[in-house]
Amino acid sequence: SQQGEEDPQALSIQEGENATMNCSYKTSINNLQWYRQNSGRGLVHLILIRSNEREKHSGRLRVTLDTSKKSSSLLITASRAADTASYFCATADNYGQNFVFGPGTRLSVLP
Amino acid sequence: ETGVTQTPRHLVMGMTNKKSLKCEQHLGHNAMYWYKQSAKKPLELMFVYNFKEQTENNSVPSRFSPECPNSSHLFLHLHTLQPEDSALYLCASSQGHRAAIGETQYFGPGTRLLVL
Repeated sequence: SQQGEEDPQALSIQEGENATMNCSYKTSINNLQWYRQNSGRGLVHLILIRSNEREKHSGRLRVTLDTSKKSSSLLITASRAADTASYFCATADNYGQNFVFGPGTRLSVLP
Repeated sequence: ETGVTQTPRHLVMGMTNKKSLKCEQHLGHNAMYWYKQSAKKPLELMFVYNFKEQTENNSVPSRFSPECPNSSHLFLHLHTLQPEDSALYLCASSQGHRAAIGETQYFGPGTRLLVL
């Protein structure tokens, strides 16, 4: 299985601090996406990184990809209470039609 | 809003009931998906439709029956469910059915299902 595994399972930080979540996967991938899910809602796409990219930024989000270690990290800088949500990585291999989602990291940002 | 709507948002049903979940996307996409999200488990892909044709059925029990009358609408018909089927059911759509090229999936808000 190429399922992504997020780490940690849960993270609690103070507003203004940075939050880092990691995703590890088992087989070679073509691309990796990060999604956010607010409690009991659908997932929202945050950012896509391809296997030939090492780092991407989007606003306060920074994603890195290390294909040699089969891992990715999502950094949220200057966190806000509104960032409280679960964050999922989703991987796709070169032939896959479907994404495989990890179990997610539950982030709590305390005011 | 992501352009994908789901109804109902909450559903309670007995094990002998028949109910249906509805999903509609307003994005002009060709692929639609049903996912099951249970507590503390990864998102499970159930069914995929591409251009109204079912292209994936991930060994889903027959008590779940999907229907895709057109590229904008997707239904999940439920019949004689079990309590362990209680979960959040998410619908998603994408332009095509090609995760390998990095297509983004757009999710609806989900239907919270409780089977008594």
